[in-house]
Amino acid sequence: GAGVSQTPSNKVTEKGKYVELRCDPISGHTALYWYRQSLGQGPEFLIYFQGTGAADDSGLPNDRFFAVRPEGSVSTLKIQRTERGDSAVYLCASNSEPLSGANVLTFGAGSRLTVL
Amino acid sequence: GESVGLHLPTLSVQEGDNSIINCAYSNSASDYFIWYKQESGKGPQFIIDIRSNMDKRQGQRVTVLLNKTVKHLSLQIAATQPGDSAVYFCAERGSQGNLIFGKGTKLSVKP
Repeated sequence: GAGVSQTPSNKVTEKGKYVELRCDPISGHTALYWYRQSLGQGPEFLIYFQGTGAADDSGLPNDRFFAVRPEGSVSTLKIQRTERGDSAVYLCASNSEPLSGANVLTFGAGSRLTVL
Repeated sequence: GESVGLHLPTLSVQEGDNSIINCAYSNSASDYFIWYKQESGKGPQFIIDIRSNMDKRQGQRVTVLLNKTVKHLSLQIAATQPGDSAVYFCAERGSQGNLIFGKGTKLSVKP
């Protein structure tokens, strides 16, 4: 598509539930990033894919968080046993040349997760 | 460690005036910096970037200045318009190739 698409745009869930957030990057972009943004804060890096593999998952806060990108295009961020502190906007971004001199990430509008 | 921060959390300017948003970074080895604009309910939008081998880069109504001596980055917006109202983030490239964002400065433009 023309831009990065994220679904759902809003998700309200109860503490302890499982959640999946989907990201459809710009067609042809090999690099895909997940960030988390809490209210009043800057985006916080979670994980970065180059193709199908996770090149850097150092930002995932704990083992409740997991992300996949099985075909090198769409990615799913999975959160198990959600906690209230997981409430945030989850941003996805993609980039065609992550290791080049420029690193302009194109972001989606985000998925707002609220854990009650 | 790597960290990026901003001097001012909020900035209010009169329409037509110039705006200057500042940013400090801690990693002297950072080779690439970028500014994003984020409007309410939207994802960050690219404004301008600069590599560490440059001191200044200009775009349309925006200029980014990089002072590597004091590890300081600034974004200048000329003739600020109401549509410029947003939160502005600076970011630096981390050692793994990801972007590390600062906390953000909220720019409010008074008509």
